[in-house]
Amino acid sequence: DAKTTQPTSMDCAEGRAANLPCNHSTISGNEYVYWYRQIHSQGPQYIIHGLKNNETNEMASLIITEDRKSSTLILPHATLRDTAVYYCIVRGIGGSQGNLIFGKGTKLSVKP
Amino acid sequence: DTAVSQTPKYLVTQMGNDKSIKCEQNLGHDTMYWYKQDSKKFLKIMFSYNNKELIINETVPNRFSPKSPDKAHLNLHINSLELGDSAVYFCASSRRGWRETYEQYFGPGTRLTVT
Repeated sequence: DAKTTQPTSMDCAEGRAANLPCNHSTISGNEYVYWYRQIHSQGPQYIIHGLKNNETNEMASLIITEDRKSSTLILPHATLRDTAVYYCIVRGIGGSQGNLIFGKGTKLSVKP
Repeated sequence: DTAVSQTPKYLVTQMGNDKSIKCEQNLGHDTMYWYKQDSKKFLKIMFSYNNKELIINETVPNRFSPKSPDKAHLNLHINSLELGDSAVYFCASSRRGWRETYEQYFGPGTRLTVT
């Protein structure tokens, strides 16, 4: 079972920042937070991951709280092409713990 | 250039048949995976595999078997197909294995319909 809780859906205006929350209160010390997204009818796409520190790449920023029990994915300037289901995943290392366990995700709708 | 490719994109077949889905990655990755996404859109790991170790999700029926002719390919064979096997199947790959934190790259999916 997924170790994360996400809102079922969110809306965002085009050009605005999209902030997607994720709760992972049972995360353990060696587990990472990963974000993937799935645009309709396509395979999932990796976005970003982190352990403790905030992370930023060309796609997004990941903010992890100090206690690591929650995180927020930020798309700084959402476009219509960012409409997708976003999955927050807690992933360990080693054997089956390294597998990605997808939950229901958040369906983000970016509107003009 | 397609990083992870799957064939066919669509597969329609009858119950009881045996079918295969092919997956190829040109990323030089060591580990490949198969996932199943059912009609409710839940995406679940079926197998993870590199040249040394196969990890099978215990919920996967033994009618499903991965076969890897070489490091760049991981094909999925399904015997005695059932209606419940209808789903979209995704192949993925990553550098090293599950012991590392490398991200996975997914293929475009194969939509299997069993009639």
